[in-house]
Amino acid sequence: DIVMTQGALPNPVPSGESASITCQSSKSLLHSNGKTYLNWYLQRPGQSPQLLIYWMSTRASGVSDRFSGSGSGTDFTLKISSVEAEDVGVYYCQQFLEYPLTFGSGTKLEIK
Amino acid sequence: EVQLQQSGPEVGRPGSSVKISCKASGYTFTDYVMNWVKQSPGQGLEWIGWIDPEYGSTDYAEKFKKKATLTADTSSNTAYIQLSSLTSEDTATYFCARWGNYYFDYWGQGVMVTVSS
Repeated sequence: DIVMTQGALPNPVPSGESASITCQSSKSLLHSNGKTYLNWYLQRPGQSPQLLIYWMSTRASGVSDRFSGSGSGTDFTLKISSVEAEDVGVYYCQQFLEYPLTFGSGTKLEIK
Repeated sequence: EVQLQQSGPEVGRPGSSVKISCKASGYTFTDYVMNWVKQSPGQGLEWIGWIDPEYGSTDYAEKFKKKATLTADTSSNTAYIQLSSLTSEDTATYFCARWGNYYFDYWGQGVMVTVSS
């Protein structure tokens, strides 16, 4: 199974500051078709997860342009350019290169 | 509007089984694979498996092959997960989530399953 490892944030993050969440995969998620099979989700407190980014760097419909995804085959970053109160929650990376689909352990964002 | 409406909270005794439903609306049920995801209390997300409602084909994560059974009823646009031989390890919230080709695009609200004697 592909293991996804996420880093922690130096919580709480001051409102308006940027925050970068890291994710590392145990196997390259770069497919021979040139696409990287990585998604990002946000789970707000008490809610279901919601899609933020797919194909490593494509924002989902309705997602603020404050969110951006980048990376290589095994190292990925979700950047929030100016954190707001509504960004509070747990962020998960997820690979879909292979089954079983696997998620990172989650990175909690708190705002000051 | 796409919606996935899950059934209510369940309490099951150790060794028993529970069955959770996920009723889909707002799209053609047989056009998308339905997945199930487990979230243990205070923990992260764990993929259980998927079902293709059109064909009834399924795939499971190895650790859930003897634990979970996925089914779908196309007449009622409802997907189900049955959890058997319940133990305390099965106490969790279970989400259904539609696979929109390359990502989970819609999620149910989650069902809390509590295993308790």
